[in-house]
Amino acid sequence: GENVEQHPSTLSVQEGDSAVIKCTYSDSASNYFPWYKQELGKRPQLIIDIRSNVGEKKDQRIAVTLNKTAKHFSLHITETQPEDSAVYFCALFSGGYNKLIFGAGTRLAVHP
Amino acid sequence: DSGVTQTPKHLITATGQRVTLRCSPRSGDLSVYWYQQSLDQGLQFLIQYYNGEERAKGNILERFSAQQFPDLHSELNLSSLELGDSALYFCASSGAESYEQYFGPGTRLTVT
Repeated sequence: GENVEQHPSTLSVQEGDSAVIKCTYSDSASNYFPWYKQELGKRPQLIIDIRSNVGEKKDQRIAVTLNKTAKHFSLHITETQPEDSAVYFCALFSGGYNKLIFGAGTRLAVHP
Repeated sequence: DSGVTQTPKHLITATGQRVTLRCSPRSGDLSVYWYQQSLDQGLQFLIQYYNGEERAKGNILERFSAQQFPDLHSELNLSSLELGDSALYFCASSGAESYEQYFGPGTRLTVT
């Protein structure tokens, strides 16, 4: 079945540094790629998404890039703050399976 | 607040029992999705309903079933509960033909 590989599984950075999380996939028909942030014990929250006709999208300190040829997309967080500490999940919409498929998650820790 | 509501927040029950989890989607959303998240695990897609009809199925056990009612709220029924069913159960909703999914606060199920 469709699979999304997410790396790294854990990421530790100093406050003010940048953080990058990468996801790779195999289904070339995928056309929607969201990122979710989940704080401990809380609901996943949609923070940014990108569609296949766009290569990059930015929202303040968060950006997502998509390389459809290489089949990978990445989340970039600049000027990280302690409140960015959470688990981040990438996902993609699989037309073949008609559902969102999630990566395994990246636990980001931002140290003051 | 995503606008998706779930009840109850917490549920503690014994093995072999049956429980019902309830979800109300955002106003106007026709699709409801159910996910299971075990401790420190990713999001496992269970099932999707669209305007009352089952649309997609994931790794849902035969002991689990769901339905969506005419007022668009959904219920997830879990029966013959086992210790391994202890998890956070999230529902999410999305608009007609929209990919963006918004998650509810979840129901934490503990099976003892």
